[in-house]
Amino acid sequence: GAVVSQHPSWVICKSGTSVKIECRSLDFQATTMFWYRQFPKQSLMLMATSNEGSKATYEQGVEKDKFLINHASLTLSTLTVTSAHPEDSSFYICSPSGGADTQYFGPGTRLTVL
Amino acid sequence: QKEVEQNSGPLSVPEGAIASLNCTYSDRGSQSFFWYRQYSGKSPELIMFIYSNGDKEDGRFTAQLNKASQYVSLLIRDSQPSDSATYLCAVNMGGGYSTLTFGKGTMLLVSP
Repeated sequence: GAVVSQHPSWVICKSGTSVKIECRSLDFQATTMFWYRQFPKQSLMLMATSNEGSKATYEQGVEKDKFLINHASLTLSTLTVTSAHPEDSSFYICSPSGGADTQYFGPGTRLTVL
Repeated sequence: QKEVEQNSGPLSVPEGAIASLNCTYSDRGSQSFFWYRQYSGKSPELIMFIYSNGDKEDGRFTAQLNKASQYVSLLIRDSQPSDSATYLCAVNMGGGYSTLTFGKGTMLLVSP
């Protein structure tokens, strides 16, 4: 399978701060990046889809001004949670796609907002 | 609304038994189907995918697809305690860059 890294793997922050999560595809070019989040005992929920060099498309109910996505290169995408609040505490997972039907996932970032 | 349904479980089987995990989906036009395994606190890892009706085998795993019944299953033979995890069914309801719709997952517990 594809090699995907995410950084940081976990982060604890105070309410009101911003957190940036990086996702890198290490062995292929990710023309499309999917960002998911997963609350405890829930399934993966797609937050947004971005194509390299274009603005991200957000799913209904996901605030684009709160979850800033940058997909500036074919190997790197970032998700910034701005002014994080406790309800944003979740497991954030990226999934880069090189165009093939199969999706692989990054190892995830666990965010805890105090 | 496009949906993927799975029994949340837990499904408990003894070591060495066959575990059968089931999934139904609502969109008859769905084209490809995936099974992921997710250990607690970890991200999903792909087990296998299937596109055509029938069975597809990979080691101890067999995926079964019945598009007429909108049903896909995963059989795990000779279950091991290390197979204990949540199994996510995902359906791609279009080609190319179309996104996956995930079920909520079935927790499998394999007892020694």
